[in-house]
Amino acid sequence: DQQVKQNSPSLSVQEGRISILNCDYTNSMFDYFLWYKKYPAEGPTFLISISSIKDKNEDGRFTVFLNKSAKHLSLHIVPSQPGDSAVYFCAASWRPRSTGNQFYFGTGTSLTVIP
Amino acid sequence: KAGVTQTPRYLIKTRGQQVTLSCSPISGHRSVSWYQQTPGQGLQFLFEYFSETQRNKGNFPGRFSGRQFSNSRSEMNVSTLELGDSALYLCASSLTTGQPQHFGDGTRLSIL
Repeated sequence: DQQVKQNSPSLSVQEGRISILNCDYTNSMFDYFLWYKKYPAEGPTFLISISSIKDKNEDGRFTVFLNKSAKHLSLHIVPSQPGDSAVYFCAASWRPRSTGNQFYFGTGTSLTVIP
Repeated sequence: KAGVTQTPRYLIKTRGQQVTLSCSPISGHRSVSWYQQTPGQGLQFLFEYFSETQRNKGNFPGRFSGRQFSNSRSEMNVSTLELGDSALYLCASSLTTGQPQHFGDGTRLSIL
């Protein structure tokens, strides 16, 4: 049962424009959300996170928005650069958990930024 | 600071064999998690270890097991390999449980 879903397998954007990657979740207990970026032949790299007590978090060109009522989060990249071309995974978890932590990942969205 | 190191990078096995994968976390990180990545399935959580104890386990059969040593290094073992076990196995570490994780580059396991 996929509790975190990324319904767009791929996205193409022109350089300089905004990239919007979307993620939906089904478990209302999730209270911590993360985005990772993955280049071919490398492991995922942590990008940005957001706690459920916030609805927005910014880090440079990257902003994550959380809509708890819709169980939806999105990652905005502005402006998009060719080096942003990668697969983006969203992940969610409950925290804190005294019995350990489990992150649930989406299936990923492949972003291509066209020069 | 060295990142998460996984060995070997590539492995080819046949059905019925067993395999052990190794992960060295970032120095000082005590939480180590393992994931299986297959096309179209994203990253599926296998288990998490913290201070040599398995803290959490995903929905995988008992053929998948792991352990963590006192220096936080971790191993994952898969017994009686099946064709469906072909995947990229990723190890991730963090200072403590629940924090953003640092991933290794994975071990690509192919079952013939």
